[in-house]
Amino acid sequence: GAVVSQHPSRVICKSGTSVKIECRSLDFQATTMFWYRQFPKKSLMLMATSNEGSKATYEQGVEKDKFLINHASLTLSTLTVTSAHPEDSSFYICSARVPRADATNEKLFFGSGTQLSVL
Amino acid sequence: GENVGLHLPTLSVQEGDNSIINCAYSNSASDYFIWYKQESGKGPQFIIDIRSNMDKRQGQRVTVLLNKTVKHLSLQIAATQPGDSAVYFCAENNYGQNFVFGPGTRLSVLP
Repeated sequence: GAVVSQHPSRVICKSGTSVKIECRSLDFQATTMFWYRQFPKKSLMLMATSNEGSKATYEQGVEKDKFLINHASLTLSTLTVTSAHPEDSSFYICSARVPRADATNEKLFFGSGTQLSVL
Repeated sequence: GENVGLHLPTLSVQEGDNSIINCAYSNSASDYFIWYKQESGKGPQFIIDIRSNMDKRQGQRVTVLLNKTVKHLSLQIAATQPGDSAVYFCAENNYGQNFVFGPGTRLSVLP
């Protein structure tokens, strides 16, 4: 299957610092990537849709100035958690759709996730 | 999202038995479905998908069944192994819109 690479897998930072998480599609071009947050023993919560070459679309309640998304190329999207605080500690996961010509039934593949711990 | 705050249901099965994980989806117009497996500390892993024009699809040791009449999706795992222990999510998609994920089911395989 298609490969989505996410880095880093784990990061520990001090409160007030910013953390950047990278998501790469390794063997396909992804015009759209997605960022999720997942709390322990809970389902995936969509944070935003990252669109190559344009602004990200944020879900209701997600602060766009807090979670900066950049999708500068067809294979890379980044999520930057700015001025991180302990309540931002969570498991962050990206995903990307493998494009099809008719844009239907496009499989969604996930990165390996990033565990963020803010001290 | 609407699934935040729900506690995961758990299914416990004996090693070697068959497992059936169920999912009720919400949108009768959904036309594409995927099952994912998520191990602790990892991202969800694609298992198998099915389109709405099918009611059954088989993979290696896994079978997905789709009942559009009652909006029900199930994942059957044959001869469950300890390595199958994980959280399983179903996801539905409506003609290219964003995927909507189920709350997940934790599968525990007993020795």
